[in-house]
Amino acid sequence: KNQVEQSPQSLIILEGKNCTLQCNYTVSPFSNLRWYKQDTGRGPVSLTIMTFSENTKSNGRYTATLDADTKQSSLHITASQLSDSASYICVVSAGGANNLFFGTGTRLTVIP
Amino acid sequence: EAGVAQSPRYKIIEKRQSVAFWCNPISGHATLYWYQQILGQGPKLLIQFQNNGVVDDSQLPKDRFSAERLKGVDSTLKIQPAKLEDSAVYLCASSATLGGGYTFGSGTRLTVV
Repeated sequence: KNQVEQSPQSLIILEGKNCTLQCNYTVSPFSNLRWYKQDTGRGPVSLTIMTFSENTKSNGRYTATLDADTKQSSLHITASQLSDSASYICVVSAGGANNLFFGTGTRLTVIP
Repeated sequence: EAGVAQSPRYKIIEKRQSVAFWCNPISGHATLYWYQQILGQGPKLLIQFQNNGVVDDSQLPKDRFSAERLKGVDSTLKIQPAKLEDSAVYLCASSATLGGGYTFGSGTRLTVV
């Protein structure tokens, strides 16, 4: 069964600290993996997209890693800011574009 | 480039009433998607259009939901009649090609009371 699981479900960190979010998937055949940031009441905004051959990709303070062998991805946030408070959703694409599998997200709260 | 536009941002209706949502994708994007996101869950695909044709509507509750994209540009999603469990955020997304990067709109938050 194609599934995407994220952990932790929620996370609270102090401003300035780093954190790492996890995504495990069983989607096959794998096409690509995206991390999205979703502010409350807003649509998801793409942070990174990674294909099978990519191990790491950065976007500012966000760095995503992908291990296609173990079917795991992580999103590392460096020097967190209050504006990083949001839900982070892992989305895995299988084959065609309409085969998208969404994780339930990690709710990150950054406190001063 | 302008993003995906959705309206309204918020809508509160009573159960059994009707409601319609509107989406204008990024100019030139052939593929348009409607998702339903219930609080605490990931988005669920309702329907996918390629230009003005339906590619996938297998998860659309067709007894009460309908969607159209008549001219292959903007799209409307309608619920008639609404149920309490339809309370969710309805997201529209578009991409230039099948398999291309998605851009999501800000969504319409529907509350059915």
